[in-house]
Amino acid sequence: GAVVSQHPSWVICKSGTSVKIECRSLDFQATTMFWYRQFPKQSLMLMATSNEGSKATYEQGVEKDKFLINHASLTLSTLTVTSAHPEDSSFYICSASWYSTASGNTIYFGEGSWLTVV
Amino acid sequence: AQSVSQHNHHVILSEAASLELGCNYSYGGTVNLFWYVQYPGQHLQLLLKYFSGDPLVKGIKGFEAEFIKSKFSFNLRKPSVQWSDTAEYFCASASGGSSASKIIFGSGTRLSIRP
Repeated sequence: GAVVSQHPSWVICKSGTSVKIECRSLDFQATTMFWYRQFPKQSLMLMATSNEGSKATYEQGVEKDKFLINHASLTLSTLTVTSAHPEDSSFYICSASWYSTASGNTIYFGEGSWLTVV
Repeated sequence: AQSVSQHNHHVILSEAASLELGCNYSYGGTVNLFWYVQYPGQHLQLLLKYFSGDPLVKGIKGFEAEFIKSKFSFNLRKPSVQWSDTAEYFCASASGGSSASKIIFGSGTRLSIRP
């Protein structure tokens, strides 16, 4: 079964409104989660690192006020796209990583969320 | 800064040809390296990963990759491709040795196989 669950899978919103995407870690406590966006036929671009109990760390060029990240518990991180515009339409993916000294990082991806802004 | 480079943007091969996709990473410390495949309309699927030990890593679907530390490379190989291997392939790295390690993806290589 899924280790990281993302919701909703699909969302359509009107331009100017805000939309929230949830990412849940089901099998382990994730102090750190990651948010990516993927445009069609392109790679995953890391947007930000979500840190439990503290502010997210954003990658260069990503607007903090536009993409609000909240990681209030060890199993839930949320991404809110504020005042969405059509250019924000994309596939958003979250991930959580489990690290062990024996095998390194095991990365679990959410199913992804398609956002369409009309 | 941590980065991953994939220099082949689009590779076109005939069935049964051998495949090698290039991946170079830039990070001098502890690094995990991954190859993912994304079939059209589907999610990422892990092909293989390297953390330590044997630098030649065997993955699923007949893929393998070789970690060459001196060249900062982790090229993906398959001796004989099939039409079903048509997909996008992404190399990725995680650095820092913890659950908080950032995972960075390369730009991807589109593989097209002619029947």
